Amino acid sequence: DGGITQSPKYLFRKEGQNVTLSCEQNLNHDAMYWYRQDPGQGLRLIYYSQIVNDFQKGDIAEGYSVSREKKESFPLTVTSAQKNPTAFYLCASSIQGEEGYTFGSGTRLTVV
Amino acid sequence: AQKVTQAQTEISVVEKEDVTLDCVYETRDTTYYLFWYKQPPSGELVFLIRRNSFDEQNEISGRYSWNFQKSTSSFNFTITASQVVDSAVYFCALSEPSGAGSYQLTFGKGTKLSVIP
Repeated sequence: DGGITQSPKYLFRKEGQNVTLSCEQNLNHDAMYWYRQDPGQGLRLIYYSQIVNDFQKGDIAEGYSVSREKKESFPLTVTSAQKNPTAFYLCASSIQGEEGYTFGSGTRLTVV
Repeated sequence: AQKVTQAQTEISVVEKEDVTLDCVYETRDTTYYLFWYKQPPSGELVFLIRRNSFDEQNEISGRYSWNFQKSTSSFNFTITASQVVDSAVYFCALSEPSGAGSYQLTFGKGTKLSVIP
């Protein structure tokens, strides 16, 4: 079955460490997105990529980095520069030019 | 200004009551799409409905119904005869063209619905 896989579901890291969240899709979608969710804040766009080897900053990109070396993969690195990294992170993908997104099941990151 | 406003942060209803979740959006595009998603405690986003800007027909799906009114830029969601399983956070979202043939999805802050047995 086609879909988006985010791993791991729960992730714990010590303050000051970089951590990479995985997002893989087998839907052959061109575009991929990372959102962050905090209580009462809805989902906010971190980064998005419309094509391999290209990506753009979203609304809250500071302290994050991404890569898009393969169409299927769009990993997100939460760096030590991110002041409040504890959050729920959702990855999504879409066919270029279409408005519907498919979401992964999310990764809950806790920094202690 | 927010592009998608869900004014109700939290709502509590007693089981079997009807409840309406409000959504007001803002866009300059003539072509856009509106969505409702449900997020149960497990965290995944469950797609409920998509509406394009040219289709103002209201839609009913079982106990769920949606009222789209372009004149007031609103896309409200009603659950009839609510059940405990309806307890979740509900998000309204707006998809607009963002250039180069792509669309960008913007979410409201969500409404947490609690249905009390």
